[in-house]
Amino acid sequence: AQSVTQLDSQVPVFEEAPVELRCNYSSSVSVYLFWYVQYPNQGLQLLLKYLSGSTLVKGINGFEAEFNKSQTSFHLRKPSVHISDTAEYFCAVSVKGGNNNDMRFGAGTRLTVKP
Amino acid sequence: NAGVMQNPRHLVRRRGQEARLRCSPMKGHSHVYWYRQLPEEGLKFMVYLQKENIIDESGMPKERFSAEFPKEGPSILRIQQVVRGDSAAYFCASSPAGTAQETQYFGPGTRLLVL
Repeated sequence: AQSVTQLDSQVPVFEEAPVELRCNYSSSVSVYLFWYVQYPNQGLQLLLKYLSGSTLVKGINGFEAEFNKSQTSFHLRKPSVHISDTAEYFCAVSVKGGNNNDMRFGAGTRLTVKP
Repeated sequence: NAGVMQNPRHLVRRRGQEARLRCSPMKGHSHVYWYRQLPEEGLKFMVYLQKENIIDESGMPKERFSAEFPKEGPSILRIQQVVRGDSAAYFCASSPAGTAQETQYFGPGTRLLVL
């Protein structure tokens, strides 16, 4: 079965600094990859997803992620963060050709942006 | 187009009582997923439903938990005889189709506290 590991549970950064949130996946078959953001007391919102094609995926709010098949990674990046980016970020994986109920989420990375 | 709606947003129950959580999917979405989120953990899949059918309940405890998605009305997650370990945030998501590349749209969650 597919799984996701988010390597950092917490990432503190200063405002306007770059940030990378790491995500590694495990699967014996081809996958789709997702990043979701959860603001306090809210549900998850899709940031971006990789289905096929270009390995660099651009999402909302200036975030982007790069699919690296050889390293089985899908790290999320932003060149300059804002206070408003403070939130929990979840990486998720599903199997190509599979069903949506097989999506699996990582444990999350709490990004805290300090002034 | 209203998003996924969940109510109540907060629910307090005493041990042994029943908790009933409701989820109205986005308009046009016939696929509903329920997840549980424990503190400092990611989302754990519980159950996947389509109208009037439970497709996959592999993540739902065999006892005390049940879910339904009737032809008319919201999806309901029901927890009977709640225990303190049931305290968590419960999220509902919906999608227009059930294939793996579909984005899941999440509601704001119901935070259940069992006293």
